[in-house]
Amino acid sequence: EAEVAQSPRYKITEKSQAVAFWCDPISGHATLYWYRQILGQGPELLVQFQDESVVDDSQLPKDRFSAERLKGVDSTLKIQPAELGDSAMYLCASSSGRLNEQFFGPGTRLTVL
Amino acid sequence: AQSVTQLDSQVPVFEEAPVELRCNYSSSVSVYLFWYVQYPNQGLQLLLKYLSGSTLVESINGFEAEFNKSQTSFHLRKPSVHISDTAEYFCAVGKGGSQGNLIFGKGTKLSVKP
Repeated sequence: EAEVAQSPRYKITEKSQAVAFWCDPISGHATLYWYRQILGQGPELLVQFQDESVVDDSQLPKDRFSAERLKGVDSTLKIQPAELGDSAMYLCASSSGRLNEQFFGPGTRLTVL
Repeated sequence: AQSVTQLDSQVPVFEEAPVELRCNYSSSVSVYLFWYVQYPNQGLQLLLKYLSGSTLVESINGFEAEFNKSQTSFHLRKPSVHISDTAEYFCAVGKGGSQGNLIFGKGTKLSVKP
């Protein structure tokens, strides 16, 4: 069964360091999402790609966060510099674009010390 | 703007008892509705969805949800829960179209006790 892959699963870093997360969506899914899930909350959209283009990054803190999907397949989310408040689960999801059904990866748990 | 309200942050229940997890949404347009389940330190898994047609939708593991347009609700129910149902459950609403964004509720932690 096709799955969304994410790495690393866990990341511990010190504040002011740079971190990067990687996501490989289900093959053929044109739409890719990055979500942030703070402990005890539901996921919140950071950025959405349609192929290699950004569709929505209105909630992405652009002073420190960046995301790319250069070839319209896998994607990288970067934080530089990391802050204590960035500690969260970062989830990647993909969709074939029909009827909103999204498939989630296992997530990357980020801890900023 | 769309929003989702999950009325209970935690629901404790004994094994084999029935359970209802409540979800209300607000939207001025036709919506698609979803329930996702999340086990500790894992991503979200789709439990069931309402897209159109029958207002009662079922999952393969005994959960069901009913879309009620007049009450703008999509409550999740199971007649008899198992220990393995212990997880966090998220209700989400999407409005379709080219963006396809989902708006999630804050989640309900279901704890099933023996």
